[in-house]
Amino acid sequence: KAGVTQTPRYLIKTRGQQVTLSCSPISGHRSVSWYQQTPGQGLQFLFEYFSETQRNKGNFPGRFSGRQFSNSRSEMNVSTLELGDSALYLCASSPGTLGTEAFFGQGTRLTVV
Amino acid sequence: QQQVKQSPQSLIVQKGGISIINCAYENTAFDYFPWYQQFPGKGPALLIAIRPDVSEKKEGRFTISFNKSAKQFSLHIMDSQPGDSATYFCAAWNYGGSQGNLIFGKGTKLSVKP
Repeated sequence: KAGVTQTPRYLIKTRGQQVTLSCSPISGHRSVSWYQQTPGQGLQFLFEYFSETQRNKGNFPGRFSGRQFSNSRSEMNVSTLELGDSALYLCASSPGTLGTEAFFGQGTRLTVV
Repeated sequence: QQQVKQSPQSLIVQKGGISIINCAYENTAFDYFPWYQQFPGKGPALLIAIRPDVSEKKEGRFTISFNKSAKQFSLHIMDSQPGDSATYFCAAWNYGGSQGNLIFGKGTKLSVKP
């Protein structure tokens, strides 16, 4: 069974630009969550999507947004990039409504210069 | 109340020794406690998890001990090996709700010396 796939693995963007990250969950998983990982703040929850609907949201500014498609694939968008957005962005998929047993992808390393 | 406090930040253990990582939480609504292992350049991987109705769970060399009254849980790695060198994160989840997310501890960087 294929794991969670995130693309691209690495990105370098300039301040003010926007970026879109992609996540393909494990087949059959309907819940996709996004996390930001930084050395200082650790792993922080961004948002969760289930059946194309945002079900839960963390404490991040509106520049961070996402969506989920009918095949459960998800995208995350960050607009007006700031230097502080440099981080590893992780996607996790879960099998059902309970949202446990989250399986993480390898992440997208975003560097904002 | 949403925090999970993890200690120590770093840990050095000799091969064959026992590694112990501790976590504490405040929110009694948390009802699922997983531990994740992360190697450099990789995403976190689920290692072992426990529900609060159980005081201990063992899987191979990894054991979770859970103290519901103290709101603490810990990971014990027996016979630690150099291959166990990684960053370990405890987490907590409100399992019963339709909404929820994992709240992570800050992580413990474990180094196992040969």
